[in-house]
Amino acid sequence: KAGVTQTPRYLIKTRGQQVTLSCSPISGHRSVSWYQQTPGQGLQFLFEYFSETQRNKGNFPGRFSGRQFSNSRSEMNVSTLELGDSALYLCASRLGGNTEAFFGQGTRLTVV
Amino acid sequence: AQSVTQPDIHITVSEGASLELRCNYSYGATPYLFWYVQSPGQGLQLLLKYFSGDTLVQGIKGFEAEFKRSQSSFNLRKPSVHWSDAAEYFCAVGGSFSGAQKLVFGQGTRLTINP
Repeated sequence: KAGVTQTPRYLIKTRGQQVTLSCSPISGHRSVSWYQQTPGQGLQFLFEYFSETQRNKGNFPGRFSGRQFSNSRSEMNVSTLELGDSALYLCASRLGGNTEAFFGQGTRLTVV
Repeated sequence: AQSVTQPDIHITVSEGASLELRCNYSYGATPYLFWYVQSPGQGLQLLLKYFSGDTLVQGIKGFEAEFKRSQSSFNLRKPSVHWSDAAEYFCAVGGSFSGAQKLVFGQGTRLTINP
């Protein structure tokens, strides 16, 4: 069974640009969450989608947005990139309800 | 609000020695507790989870953890570490609100293994 797939693995963007990251969950999983990991702030929750609806949102500015498609694949978008957005962005998928989350390998975003 | 504290930022143990990584949580209801491991440049791998029932849970790679409600702790243990266990370990707490589950992570403990 394939795991959580995130693309691309690495990205370099310039300040002010926007970026879209993609996540394909484990087959059959309907919940997708996104996390940001930085050396200073650690792992922080961005948002969760379940059946195309955002169910929960972390404390991030509106520049961070996401969506989920009918096949459960999810995208995360960051507009007007700032240097501080440089991080490892991790996607996690769950079956739904109270089940464990499985993480992808992450997308390393560098903003220059 | 939920929170997780991992008191040890960095631990060094010798190969073959026993290991205990500490985790304390704060959560207003019955917590769901997890331990994840991360190798450099990689994602998070689930080691074990606690939802309910037996407070001693077994995980992969020979790890176990014990949930102690009275101490708000969920410490990770391994009787004999291997060089391949060197990585960063994260404790996380989650709960369910209207069907959504948000994980709150500790700051992580970096484990170094001496040969």
